Amino acid sequence: EAGVTQFPSHSVIEKGQTVTLRCDPISGHDNLYWYRRVMGKEIKFLLHFVKESKQDESGMPNNRFLAERTGGTYSTLKVQPAELEDSGVYFCASSQVGAKTQYFGPGTRLLVL
Amino acid sequence: SQQGEEDPQALSIQEGENATMNCSYKTSINNLQWYRQNSGRGLVHLILIRSNEREKHSGRLRVTLDTSKKSSSLLITASRAADTASYFCATDAWNRDDKIIFGKGTRLHILP
Repeated sequence: EAGVTQFPSHSVIEKGQTVTLRCDPISGHDNLYWYRRVMGKEIKFLLHFVKESKQDESGMPNNRFLAERTGGTYSTLKVQPAELEDSGVYFCASSQVGAKTQYFGPGTRLLVL
Repeated sequence: SQQGEEDPQALSIQEGENATMNCSYKTSINNLQWYRQNSGRGLVHLILIRSNEREKHSGRLRVTLDTSKKSSSLLITASRAADTASYFCATDAWNRDDKIIFGKGTRLHILP
């Protein structure tokens, strides 16, 4: 069974540009989560989808971040315009409804110059 | 505020020795999990311990949970070079739906 995949693995962009991260959850997992780890800090929750609906987006830092999960399958996280403090590793995780174990993708390493 | 805090922040031990990492949290939890992240890789789930459990084993891993002290420990016995990674504890609670909160992690380095 394929795990959670994320694309791209790395992204280097300039301040002010736009970047879109993609996450493909494990097939059949209705829960999809985005997390972010800024250098040296803890991994922080960004938001949670149940199927295509945003269950909890309390962790989204500001309105420059937009997450979508059209059709309830893969999800995208767009940062527009990117700022220096957005640099970090963005993780996606998925789980079955009711399950407490989340399965994480390898992360996307974003560097904003 | 941060829910989970791992202690120590960094740990270096000789291969073959045991490694112990601790985690403290602030509010009531439902489950506590430990994850590992190898350099440049994603998070891998290691073990989950429920709030009504006190100890759990999985291979060379031993996790304890003390809800009265709001703390947990992860013991890795007979460490190997491949255990070099960052280890995170993460908690979830009934009132937080499925959201889990991570600590900053402990960077474990196994010396040959």
